[in-house]
Amino acid sequence: DVQMTQSPSSLSASVGDTVTITCRASQNINTFLNWYQQRPGMAPKFLIFAASSLQSGVPARFSGSGSGTEFTLTISNLQPEDFATYYCQQSSTSHGYTFGQGTKLEI
Amino acid sequence: EVVLVESGGGLVLPGRSLRLSCEASRFTFDDFAMHWVRQAPGKGLEWVSSIDWNSDRIGYADSVKGRFTISRDNAKNSLYLQMNSLTIDDTAFYFCAKDNGHIAVAGSAFEDWGQGTLVTVSS
Repeated sequence: DVQMTQSPSSLSASVGDTVTITCRASQNINTFLNWYQQRPGMAPKFLIFAASSLQSGVPARFSGSGSGTEFTLTISNLQPEDFATYYCQQSSTSHGYTFGQGTKLEI
Repeated sequence: EVVLVESGGGLVLPGRSLRLSCEASRFTFDDFAMHWVRQAPGKGLEWVSSIDWNSDRIGYADSVKGRFTISRDNAKNSLYLQMNSLTIDDTAFYFCAKDNGHIAVAGSAFEDWGQGTLVTVSS
């Protein structure tokens, strides 16, 4: 099974900052990597697919990059609504999708 | 806007069974694969199970294989999760999610999510 490891587990930042979250896969997953945002008490929200493609309606301050085993999610010009927990997810195998443990972004 | 509404959660004794439902609306349900994802209180997301649009292919996480059964009724726009032999470790919010395609493949993404239903397994 593919294991996903995110770092850091938590991160403090301020409005207007730029932050980067890293996600590492235990084996090569090409660009089969998605990112989700979850605000407290809410369902996850789909942000990015195929490592770097922005889902429709997601602000352009979100960006993703990477391939193989190392991936990043960058959020520039942080807005108050961006403070949430972020999860990466590998989708390199059908019917076997693994999430990272999450990164909590705090003010 | 896609709407997914889960139901069927509640308090259940260890070893017992529970059936979750997810009612879908505002999209063509039988055009998409569907998934169940769970989240223990205060913990991260865990993929549970997936089913293709026509139920031909189904997959389960090792943690639930042999105990949980996913199914769908396209005529009723509904997704189900039959959970048997429940343990304390199954306590979680259970979310249904819509895939971005009609089959769950490499490259699938979970485009839309319901608000979840809480399953508590406790004596």
